[in-house]
Amino acid sequence: GENVEQHPSTLSVQEGDSAVIKCTYSDSASNYFPWYKQELGKGSQLIIDIRSNVGEKKDQRIAVTLNKTAKHFSLHITETQPEDSAVYFCAATSDYKLSFGAGTTVTVRA
Amino acid sequence: DAGVTQSPTHLIKTRGQQVTLRCSPISGHKSVSWYQQVLGQGPQFIFQYYEKEERGRGNFPDRFSARQFPNYSSELNVNALLLGDSALYLCASSFTENTEAFFGQGTRLTVV
Repeated sequence: GENVEQHPSTLSVQEGDSAVIKCTYSDSASNYFPWYKQELGKGSQLIIDIRSNVGEKKDQRIAVTLNKTAKHFSLHITETQPEDSAVYFCAATSDYKLSFGAGTTVTVRA
Repeated sequence: DAGVTQSPTHLIKTRGQQVTLRCSPISGHKSVSWYQQVLGQGPQFIFQYYEKEERGRGNFPDRFSARQFPNYSSELNVNALLLGDSALYLCASSFTENTEAFFGQGTRLTVV
């Protein structure tokens, strides 16, 4: 089955700086890579996703890059704000049965 | 529009008991998936249902079962509860079995 590793487990950044979270996957058949933001009391929100036919996707301050050859993908958050503080999960799948990383706790310092 | 709704939000059960968790998908969505998230880890896939049929099962024992109803809502049942079943149980809704998944807030199950 698919195995997803996510780093770092915790990340503290100064407000306004960038945050980068990296994930690797094992199954070369995986072709869909979503990112979820999990906040207490708010559930898990799909914030961006990318498919294997695309190398990069951007949505305002959030971007995701995918390197199929190396089997890794990354989440980039620019100009971080206090509301970006949350736990972020990457996932990978070939059939929409998601395999998740262990999560990254992001803290944005004011 | 309402998102994915799960009930109850919190639950405490004793070892050996049985529990039923409920999920209502986003209106128009026909697929429901269940995930278990143990504290400090990412969610683990348990089941996926589409059009009332099981479409996938993760590596969980037979104590875990689920079903989907004609209105596309779903129930997850866990029998003979163990302490290790304590977790956040997440339901995800998608339009079909092969489209983006949207998660509910989860049911926090504590087994004592």
